[in-house]
Amino acid sequence: QSVLTQPPSVSGAPGQRVTISCTGSSSNIGAGYNVHWYQQLPGTAPKLLIYGNINRPSGVPDRFSGSKSGTSASLAITGLQAEDEADYFCQSYDSSLSTRVFGGGTKLTVL
Amino acid sequence: EVQLVESGGGLVQPGGSLRLSCAASGFTFSSYNMNWVRQAPGKGLEWVSYISSGVSNIYYADSVKGRFTISRDNAKSSLYLQMNSLTDEDTAVYYCARDYTDLYYFDYWGQGTLVTVSS
Repeated sequence: QSVLTQPPSVSGAPGQRVTISCTGSSSNIGAGYNVHWYQQLPGTAPKLLIYGNINRPSGVPDRFSGSKSGTSASLAITGLQAEDEADYFCQSYDSSLSTRVFGGGTKLTVL
Repeated sequence: EVQLVESGGGLVQPGGSLRLSCAASGFTFSSYNMNWVRQAPGKGLEWVSYISSGVSNIYYADSVKGRFTISRDNAKSSLYLQMNSLTDEDTAVYYCARDYTDLYYFDYWGQGTLVTVSS
């Protein structure tokens, strides 16, 4: 059972917009700790996609955006492309556990 | 270019030991805190261990505490994970990941090394 909760799967057609939620608690997201997102393409290592809730590392398309409110965060992907098909993980810090924590991951399928 | 290259994975019997290595390049290794993160087959990501740049702070996930030991050699730009008393629940791909400590995230990841615990 992951500390952060994500939907197991989402899907969308090319060109559409999808969102992936990440729900935490008062000891992590709700405590003000930042949320970060990673993209894991099939058979590869995770790659940083969004950091500090809303920031994109250099090279990440602006089709990807992050937001945070209360004890939850979201990753939005607009203009879906076939190459976006991957697993997406949210991550934060938990003050009760004193560890970095992950969501269980969401598999994005581009129809 | 930041590069992290893990090695040392393989097949080991339950109760056995294995030592993973991560060779870093493209940045000043001694200035960065580092982590090990693992991913069981078909599962999500699990943080395993953290070591600060000067080795003053070391942390472990409860699932590996007392069995795994993280270490580093800044002169060799290398990170290590000594894994003892392995069980099948330790079967996973192990990634080394550079830490962006101010915001608690992992900014660079290696390609991973597979550890399989099986008789």
